[in-house]
Amino acid sequence: GAVVSQHPSWVICKSGTSVKIECRSLDFQATTMFWYRQFPKQSLMLMATSNEGSKATYEQGVEKDKFLINHASLTLSTLTVTSAHPEDSSFYICSASNSGVNYEQYFGPGTRLTVT
Amino acid sequence: AQSVTQPDIHITVSEGASLELRCNYSYGATPYLFWYVQSPGQGLQLLLKYFSGDTLVQGIKGFEAEFKRSQSSFNLRKPSVHWSDAAEYFCAVAPSGYSTLTFGKGTMLLVSP
Repeated sequence: GAVVSQHPSWVICKSGTSVKIECRSLDFQATTMFWYRQFPKQSLMLMATSNEGSKATYEQGVEKDKFLINHASLTLSTLTVTSAHPEDSSFYICSASNSGVNYEQYFGPGTRLTVT
Repeated sequence: AQSVTQPDIHITVSEGASLELRCNYSYGATPYLFWYVQSPGQGLQLLLKYFSGDTLVQGIKGFEAEFKRSQSSFNLRKPSVHWSDAAEYFCAVAPSGYSTLTFGKGTMLLVSP
């Protein structure tokens, strides 16, 4: 149980284009979803927290207009990287929680984004 | 703000040998403490967690961790490492049950034959 999937697992896009990453909770309803960014040899950095039907809460320093997060249902959240640039290349990981306590998170396998 | 330090970027252990991965945290009170494992192409999997009580906690896959308040540490141990344990390990903290997680930079475990 408590499986989270991400799609795509990897994506290459050209600079200036937008790319959407999906995060789905497969066997539970996720009241809260989280988006992280992971650089090589670095820790996971929380980008934003989203609750179903509400606007996402972004961490300091994360551009909300660049990283659009939508949590339209209890099983799906999307992260759209708009006008992507090479510096946006990274590993993006989502997680989901259904317990109301934020530390109980189930993580997706991640999406590798490369912007050329 | 809380922070987590994993001093070892990577560690190599012989199969069958014991393992200890270090984790130190910076926080005024006792936070909620976690260890996760990340295998290539897979999401983070929770190994164990500590909230309160017995300072030695048992987790999955034969792992255990000991909370030492005096040292602000939460080191992960395993008495005998298997080749399948090769992965990246992350220590994480949360100040409270309603807080989000703060991760360390991770320690890559390599297992030699």
